[in-house]
Amino acid sequence: GAGVSQTPSNKVTEKGKYVELRCDPISGHTALYWYRQSLGQGPEFLIYFQGTGAADDSGLPNDRFFAVRPEGSVSTLKIQRTERGDSAVYLCASSLRGLHNEQFFGPGTRLTVL
Amino acid sequence: AQTVTQSQPEMSVQEAETVTLSCTYDTSENNYYLFWYKQPPSRQMILVIRQEAYKQQNATENRFSVNFQKAAKSFSLKISDSQLGDTAMYFCAFMQKGGSEKLVFGKGTKLTVNP
Repeated sequence: GAGVSQTPSNKVTEKGKYVELRCDPISGHTALYWYRQSLGQGPEFLIYFQGTGAADDSGLPNDRFFAVRPEGSVSTLKIQRTERGDSAVYLCASSLRGLHNEQFFGPGTRLTVL
Repeated sequence: AQTVTQSQPEMSVQEAETVTLSCTYDTSENNYYLFWYKQPPSRQMILVIRQEAYKQQNATENRFSVNFQKAAKSFSLKISDSQLGDTAMYFCAFMQKGGSEKLVFGKGTKLTVNP
């Protein structure tokens, strides 16, 4: 059906607040990725899920960042005690591993920390 | 760790002309993929073209083609008959086969197609 969706499209928060960003992957895609794109930069890898488990979280910048995918579909990226440096576009992608290795991206969530 | 370098922050081309975007990468691996993604102002990353490292033949998708030089670790994108809708950011990306298969992106090239 539909492509990857992400909500909210934009999020403005104050320094120190907690935020959650949601990703709905393409139905049936077992692999899910989160990337962060700072202004003027290419996306940078944060975390990879295969099914429900975080198979690679080596890109998470610190322990304020956490992500879950409890039922192997929707994923939530959680950021505690937000800092101004967290301001960026957070992109989610999903794929069927082994099928040409193409990752399908969502439109992203633009997070602004004031 | 793999790195991807795009040395052209911005480029412009006249409609209907041809433009080439450069990309180099660094890796010690042999089994990998290379991609070009397009990102218009809507932020949606769209796959333009894909190249498997073990294939010597350059990939082609309609007006888009690549020049893959494995020994030189170079992967340029050629856009023929440029159209106004090609105006966007273009990102070169590397993926190591196996493991997480995460994408490693360059910083991007902003392409403007002028009427």
